Amino acid sequence: GAVVSQHPSRVICKSGTSVKIECRSLDFQATTMFWYRQFPKQSLMLMATSNEGSKATYEQGVEKDKFLINHASLTLSTLTVTSAHPEDSSFYICSARDTGNEQFFGPGTRLTVL
Amino acid sequence: AQSVSQHNHHVILSEAASLELGCNYSYGGTVNLFWYVQYPGQHLQLLLKYFSGDPLVKGIKGFEAEFIKSKFSFNLRKPSVQWSDTAEYFCAVTGGGADGLTFGKGTHLIIQP
Repeated sequence: GAVVSQHPSRVICKSGTSVKIECRSLDFQATTMFWYRQFPKQSLMLMATSNEGSKATYEQGVEKDKFLINHASLTLSTLTVTSAHPEDSSFYICSARDTGNEQFFGPGTRLTVL
Repeated sequence: AQSVSQHNHHVILSEAASLELGCNYSYGGTVNLFWYVQYPGQHLQLLLKYFSGDPLVKGIKGFEAEFIKSKFSFNLRKPSVQWSDTAEYFCAVTGGGADGLTFGKGTHLIIQP
C-alpha cells in the first residue's frame, strides 16, 4: 500500500514555542490530507482537512490560528502548533487520500510541551 | 454530524476463537465505512472498507464485515483469531459531504496463546 511519513516522530518543546510537523506521501500524490489528534486511550479526532493550494478546513472547536496548516505541494502538508502549551501535548496523526478515496495514515508525531 | 460507537473497549479471546466486534454509526445518509487496525507500535492500517454493493465485505488477514443499513451497523468478524491479531481496532465512517473520518473509540483486542 501507499506510504505516508511524518517528521518528527517525537518532539519535546517548551511552552510558548512553535512546532512544525511534516506529513509526506512518499509514493503517490495527495490533493487532500487530513490531520487528526489522539489523546491517550482515546480515539482519533479529526482536526482539519488540508487541500493542496487552498486554505485548510477546520473542524468545529479547532483554532485555525493555533494550528496552522500548509499544503504547498501534492506530497507535503505541514501542521504548525503555534505558541504551544502543555494542553497541546498529544499524538498528532496525518493521513493522505489517494485517487481511490482511501486514506493512508502516517506513523504519528508525539508532541510533549513542557 | 455523524458519530461511531464501538461496543467493546477491551476484548480478550483465546486463539482459534471466533471474533465479532460491534460498530454502530449515526447518520441517515450515504456513508462509507471502514475498519482500521493498529498493531502495537505501528500506524493505522486499513482492514476493509465498504462504499457500495455487496454488504458483506472481505478484508485482509481473514477479516470480514457486514453492513446492515437498517441497523446502522458494520460489525467486524473473523472466524478464527490468531495471537498476531492482538491490536487496537477502530471503526470509522465518512459521509454527509465530510471527507475526514469519524472514528469510534476503538477496541483493544488481546489474543491469548
